[in-house]
Amino acid sequence: ETGVTQSPTHLIKTRGQQVTLRCSSQSGHNTVSWYQQALGQGPQFIFQYYREEENGRGNFPPRFSGLQFPNYSSELNVNALELDDSALYLCASSFPSPSSTDTQYFGPGTRLTVL
Amino acid sequence: QKEVEQNSGPLSVPEGAIASLNCTYSDRVSQSFFWYRQYSGKSPELIMSIYSNGDKEDGRFTAQLNKASQYVSLLIRDSQPSDSATYLCAGSSNTGNQFYFGTGTSLTVIP
Repeated sequence: ETGVTQSPTHLIKTRGQQVTLRCSSQSGHNTVSWYQQALGQGPQFIFQYYREEENGRGNFPPRFSGLQFPNYSSELNVNALELDDSALYLCASSFPSPSSTDTQYFGPGTRLTVL
Repeated sequence: QKEVEQNSGPLSVPEGAIASLNCTYSDRVSQSFFWYRQYSGKSPELIMSIYSNGDKEDGRFTAQLNKASQYVSLLIRDSQPSDSATYLCAGSSNTGNQFYFGTGTSLTVIP
C-alpha cells in the first residue's frame, strides 16, 4: 500500500456529462500527478500539481482540469465526457519537491466508463 | 518517435529463468528512469528507479541504464510465477515535470 487513496473506485457516466475524481496524497507528499490509462496502454500524463499550482501538462484538452488543495489532496475534473474518456484514471504523489528524481507512488485508480 | 518505447511482448519465460525487459527513450526524456509492475486491474507498483549510467541491483531485480544509447533494461533473475504481470518503463522529462510511460511489456512466468 502506498498511502495514496482515490475515490470513487468505479464510475459510470454518459457522454456529455461532467465528472470529478478525487485523490489524497501520501503523507508528506505535496506533488500530485494524474494519468489516464486506456486498456492495454501505458499511463498517459495529464498534469501535475505542486503546492496548489499546475506544474506541467500533457497533451490533453482544456476540458481536463484539476485542483490541488492546501492539504495537497487533488481533484481531476473532466467536462463534456466522450466515449474515449473511458479509462483507468491514476493519481500519483511524490516527495516534497517536484524535481525529476522524485519517485511517484500510485493510488488504486478510478475506473471510468462513459456510455 | 514516442518518448518511451517498449516491446509489448508478450514475453514468456520458464520458472527460474532470467527475464529481460527493454526500453528505449527519446531526447525529451533524460532525467530519471523507473520500472513499475502492474498486475491486471491494479495500479502500477514501483520496482526500481535508476538515475545514473550502469547497473543497479535490488534483490532479484537489476536495472541497467545506458544514456549514450538511450536504453534502459530490467533483468529479473530466478523468475517466479508471481512475477507474471505487465512491466512499465517510465522516464521523466528534461524539465522534470512530466513522466512518460511506455506501453508496457506483458511477462508470463511458466511454472
